[in-house]
Amino acid sequence: NAGVTQTPKFQVLKTGQSMTLQCAQDMNHNSMYWYRQDPGMGLRLIYYSASEGTTDKGEVPNGYNVSRLNKREFSLRLESAAPSQTSVYFCASKGGSPLSGNTIYFGEGSWLTVV
Amino acid sequence: AQSVTQLGSHVSVSEGALVLLRCNYSSSVPPYLFWYVQYPNQGLQLLLKYTSAATLVKGINGFEAEFKKSETSFHLTKPSAHMSDAAEYFCAVPPSKLIFGTGTRLQVFP
Repeated sequence: NAGVTQTPKFQVLKTGQSMTLQCAQDMNHNSMYWYRQDPGMGLRLIYYSASEGTTDKGEVPNGYNVSRLNKREFSLRLESAAPSQTSVYFCASKGGSPLSGNTIYFGEGSWLTVV
Repeated sequence: AQSVTQLGSHVSVSEGALVLLRCNYSSSVPPYLFWYVQYPNQGLQLLLKYTSAATLVKGINGFEAEFKKSETSFHLTKPSAHMSDAAEYFCAVPPSKLIFGTGTRLQVFP
């Protein structure tokens, strides 16, 4: 019962380096999301994908790109990491059935530090 | 656009005391409202959700929340706090992209 799986769990980057956070869900959900969590800011939506093949910007998209590779996978890429991108990143997914009540399921988080 | 406001970024209670975490939504009545809990170094998990079927919603771990349209509120309560309840709690509202409050960190003292 994996749910939402994201990797890596921890990563340290140097300023200017690039990296990709991977996310996969096995619940056949249409919608997937990337959030970042910072102290005192709660969770802020970076990008989301309402269905395979579509992506849209959230509240804080600058400095990030995403790819909805297929229905299962939604990756987040930092092309040139900056210290301001030090954060905890959460991937999430949501089913489309009314019975699911729009419940979003989260991965366990990826702790990213940019030095 | 829908939004939620959580009053109080930190709440401290003694073990056995009442827990009250506040959440207010913006003026239009949402079809759903959620409370999520985040334990240290973990992702968020659903605590309970309001779906308009009932105004008093019971969740996991003895928590419940009451939807009050007149007060535009969806406060989370638990009659008696346990040490294991120490976590961060987030109120959230749809629609297609879930919008979260800024969170309330609950500390429970013995």
